[in-house]
Amino acid sequence: QGQLVESGGGVVQPGESLRLSCAVSGFTFSNYAMHWVRQAPGKGLEWVTDISLDGIYTHYADSVRGRFTISRDNSKNMLYLQMNSLRAEDTAVYYCAKGFDLWGRGTLVTVSS
Amino acid sequence: DIVMTQTPLSLAVTLGQPASISCRSGEGLVHSDGNTYLSWLQQRPGQPPRLLIYGISNRFSGVPDRFSGSGAGTYFTLTISRVEAEDVGVYYCTQATEFPHTFGQGTKLEIK
Repeated sequence: QGQLVESGGGVVQPGESLRLSCAVSGFTFSNYAMHWVRQAPGKGLEWVTDISLDGIYTHYADSVRGRFTISRDNSKNMLYLQMNSLRAEDTAVYYCAKGFDLWGRGTLVTVSS
Repeated sequence: DIVMTQTPLSLAVTLGQPASISCRSGEGLVHSDGNTYLSWLQQRPGQPPRLLIYGISNRFSGVPDRFSGSGAGTYFTLTISRVEAEDVGVYYCTQATEFPHTFGQGTKLEIK
């Protein structure tokens, strides 16, 4: 079981930054790789990034590589997504996910001038 | 990137009747560890995605047994044996064999 609660979304202008957080409870966070997946309004799912259970290994979608950074703090049961140089096409609901078997409710990021 | 192609993109089914969604991957999904990381997700309106099936055919905890998955190689199928009203939503296949992980376009299931 477990619970994931995302926060940090909001409205920003193009080029600005935002940091998303995902608070984890109900399972041993340090035992699992974690993902961020996003969904643009009315669109399908897009995998964004993942991080290994120990935080050493990360992978990114080409669309965000070099702009987004995933990180985790296993001592605090927290997952993060630092998003820099935001673009209009980054507008989406951002979900954190444990594997694909547990999902948060998402946080909305809107990039608009 | 491995492209995941779902058919149909929309489906209208009478309550109690079966439904089937296909997913074709652009490459084989067998990982070097021997596993096939093909899953099916359900997204009800206004809800986050929910895992239904993993490893082609394994039902996730709490998923009704009317949902089943099958397939091999590059062709996979999600079957609902008898559609219920709560099954309305969008269904996605996804592969986690290779990076970047990819999703199908989604299939919208409605009740006829």
